[in-house]
Amino acid sequence: DTGVSQDPRHKITKRGQNVTFRCDPISEHNRLYWYRQTLGQGPEFLTYFQNEAQLEKSRLLSDRFSAERPKGSFSTLEIQRTEQGDSAMYLCASSRGLAGGFSYNEQFFGPGTRLTVL
Amino acid sequence: AQKITQTQPGMFVQEKEAVTLDCTYDTSDQSYGLFWYKQPSSGEMIFLIYQGSYDEQNATEGRYSLNFQKARKSANLVISASQLGDSAMYFCAMREGTGNQFYFGTGTSLTVIP
Repeated sequence: DTGVSQDPRHKITKRGQNVTFRCDPISEHNRLYWYRQTLGQGPEFLTYFQNEAQLEKSRLLSDRFSAERPKGSFSTLEIQRTEQGDSAMYLCASSRGLAGGFSYNEQFFGPGTRLTVL
Repeated sequence: AQKITQTQPGMFVQEKEAVTLDCTYDTSDQSYGLFWYKQPSSGEMIFLIYQGSYDEQNATEGRYSLNFQKARKSANLVISASQLGDSAMYFCAMREGTGNQFYFGTGTSLTVIP
């Protein structure tokens, strides 16, 4: 299967601990996105990478959150000093940026990592 | 103001009937894209259909069609011949201009009744 994969699928942690999630995008996709989805809500944008460059960050991404995409392939999202309010589904998506013009830039989503902070 | 508004938290439809899921959007950009995604209980977001702001015809993809009314800023999803497997959350989303951020609505939970 060559879709977007995320690891782990579930993570339970205690408040104050650090957690790290991994996302492997579709191999030919140069754009990668992280979203957070809480119960009963749609996904909320966190950050966006084009290749290895982090080009956009939402104000939702506090200084406890950091994302990297060191070689322009997989990405990691780290949350330091987790809080109960961080409990959510963290979704990764990737897309292929088309050169020139406006493209619809469909995003393909992974299965998500469900984080529970106790 | 919300970029995407979905006013129907839950909808029921009889199997084999058609159903319309509402979506209105708010943007001042002339170029934008509208998307619908399906999220089954497994959690994965599945792309269904896309409509560009300059597209003159309503988008269709199999049993899915998008009723695009630009002046009213609405982009309703129509599912024809509903199947039990259509039971899921449905999200409307928008991308503005050449931006990369998607704005999602709060979703509509669709239940197909046998």
